[in-house]
Amino acid sequence: DIQMTQSPSSLSASLGDRVTITCRASQSITTYLNWYQQKPGKAPNLLIYGVSSLQSGVPSRFSGSGSGTDFTLTISSLQPEDFATYYCQQTYNTPWTFGQGTKVEIK
Amino acid sequence: EVQLVESGGGLVQPGGSLRLSCAASGFTFSSYAMSWVRQAPGKGLEWVSAISGSGSSYYADSVKGRFTSSRDNSKNTLYLQMNSLRTEDTAVYYCAKMSSTNQNDYWGQGTLVTVSS
Repeated sequence: DIQMTQSPSSLSASLGDRVTITCRASQSITTYLNWYQQKPGKAPNLLIYGVSSLQSGVPSRFSGSGSGTDFTLTISSLQPEDFATYYCQQTYNTPWTFGQGTKVEIK
Repeated sequence: EVQLVESGGGLVQPGGSLRLSCAASGFTFSSYAMSWVRQAPGKGLEWVSAISGSGSSYYADSVKGRFTSSRDNSKNTLYLQMNSLRTEDTAVYYCAKMSSTNQNDYWGQGTLVTVSS
């Protein structure tokens, strides 16, 4: 199985900060990398698919980059509604594994 | 508007069975693969199963041989039959629509399954 490792597991940031979350795959997953946002008690919400394609309706302050095994989610200017947990997921090979999550909290 | 509504969750004893349903609307259900993802209390997301539009299915090792995904394209409904349930299967179960690179672009609200004696 492909292991997905996110870092950090949690971070504290202020409004307006630039935030970067990293996801590393245990083997190459080419561009089959997705990012989700989840708020407490809610279903996950797709932000980015195929490494860098922005899902419809998602603000442009979210962006994704990377290839092979190393990927990044960037929030260019943190807004109040962005405090949540973020997950990466590989869909290159089944089982389609998720990272353990990164919780973004208010500093 | 795409809508996914799960049902069928509840309390079940270890070793018991449960069948979850996911009613889909707002898209051509038969044209899309669907998946099940679960989340244990206070934990992260775990992919459980996926099923193609034609019915080919795939499973996580943790549920293989115990869970079965199926779909009725005439009823726009996805199912997850869960047998031999274990306490570690306790989770909120989400159904999700899949898209071009297997991303889950729409999710249901989830249904809670509690396995306990």
